[in-house]
Amino acid sequence: GQQVMQIPQYQHVQEGEDFTTYCNSSTTLSNIQWYKQRPGGHPVFLIQLVKSGEVKKQKRLTFQFGEAKKNSSLHITATQTTDVGTYFCAGLTGGSYIPTFGRGTSLIVHP
Amino acid sequence: DTGVSQDPRHKITKRGQNVTFRCDPISEHNRLYWYRQTLGQGPEFLTYFQNEAQLEKSRLLSDRFSAERPKGSFSTLEIQRTEQGDSAMYLCASRPDGINQPQHFGDGTRLSIL
Repeated sequence: GQQVMQIPQYQHVQEGEDFTTYCNSSTTLSNIQWYKQRPGGHPVFLIQLVKSGEVKKQKRLTFQFGEAKKNSSLHITATQTTDVGTYFCAGLTGGSYIPTFGRGTSLIVHP
Repeated sequence: DTGVSQDPRHKITKRGQNVTFRCDPISEHNRLYWYRQTLGQGPEFLTYFQNEAQLEKSRLLSDRFSAERPKGSFSTLEIQRTEQGDSAMYLCASRPDGINQPQHFGDGTRLSIL
C-alpha cells in the first residue's frame, strides 16, 4: 500500500530561525495536501499542490511539490511562536478520495 | 459554515463496554471520513462515506468497529467490546464533492479505556 514518510519527527528552533519538513511518498501522487495541528487541536488545511514542480507561498510559508510528484516540502522563514504545532502532509493517488497522512513533524519554537 | 461537530469530546469507559460517537459534518459536504489518531502519529484512515453509502473501510479495522450514515447527514462510529488499544483520538472530517477538495476536521472524540 501507499506509504508517506515525513522527516524530521521533531524540530526545535529558536524564534527567528527557519524550519523545513520533508515528505516522501512510495508512489506517485496526484496531489498533496498540508495540514497544521496545534497542540490539543485538530488538523487544519493549509494548502494543496497539484502540478509537478509547483511552488506556492503563504506569507512566510513556502510549499513545494517535486518534479516526480513523489516528494514535497514545507519551509517556514523566520519562525514565530505562533508557528508551533505539528505539520502533516497527506498524499492522494489518482482517483482516490482517501489521503494517506504522514506521521507529522512537530515544530517547537523557543522564544 | 458552522464547522464539523463531534460529540462527545471525551469518553472514558471500562474495557469491554460499547461506545458510540457522533459526527455532524458541514451541511453541504457529502463526503465524510473517520480517522483514528494516537500520540505522535498522523490521522489513520478508518472508513469513508459518500452520502449514505460506506464506500471504503480500512482493511486493518477490526470487526468490532462499525459506522453508519443513515440519511447522508450525520454519522456514528460504534466500537463494541472496547480494548485498551482502542484508546485514541477519533477524528471526523468532511469535504465537498469534486476532486482536489480539502478535508475539514472536527475537534475529535478522545477515548480512554480503563
